[in-house]
Amino acid sequence: GENVEQHPSTLSVQEGDSAVIKCTYSDSASNYFPWYKQELGKRPQLIIDIRSNVGEKKDQRIAVTLNKTAKHFSLHITETQPEDSAVYFCAASLRMDSSYKLIFGSGTRLLVRP
Amino acid sequence: DAGVIQSPRHEVTEMGQEVTLRCKPISGHNSLFWYRQTMMRGLELLIYFNNNVPIDDSGMPEDRFSAKMPNASFSTLKIQPSEPRDSAVYFCASSSQGLGEKLFFGSGTQLSVL
Repeated sequence: GENVEQHPSTLSVQEGDSAVIKCTYSDSASNYFPWYKQELGKRPQLIIDIRSNVGEKKDQRIAVTLNKTAKHFSLHITETQPEDSAVYFCAASLRMDSSYKLIFGSGTRLLVRP
Repeated sequence: DAGVIQSPRHEVTEMGQEVTLRCKPISGHNSLFWYRQTMMRGLELLIYFNNNVPIDDSGMPEDRFSAKMPNASFSTLKIQPSEPRDSAVYFCASSSQGLGEKLFFGSGTQLSVL
């Protein structure tokens, strides 16, 4: 079955520095890769996603890159701010007939130090 | 739209009792997912429905867990009998094929089994 591995499990950066989180997936048929941010006690919320026909996508301070050959994708946050502190989850979509499911990585706890 | 609505927000019960979690997906969404989140295992997919039909229940831990979706606007996840190791946050999420694979999560149910 599909497996998504995420690293690191925790990441601490100084405000203003960049943060990078990496994920690998096992099923070459996966074609959709979202990233979710979960603040303490709240629901996961989609922050950015990328599809397999695109190598990079950017939205203000966050960007995602995808290497389909190597089956890995990464989240990049630039000019980090304290409000970026949260747990970030990557996911890979596995399509099954007319439906699909998302398999999540284990999460990265990001701490941005003021 | 009110988003995905889950109830109850918190549930405290004693071992052996039956627990029923409820979910109302976003109107018009035809896929519904139940996830369980724990510190040890992260976000685990338990089961998902497409057009009210269960597609994949391979993530359901054991026979004590069951899920139903009697119509497009309501789903339940039942645990009978409950055990302390079932303590977790249970999220319901929905999506519309028209939106691709974007998942929208409910606020979750914090379950504590004593």
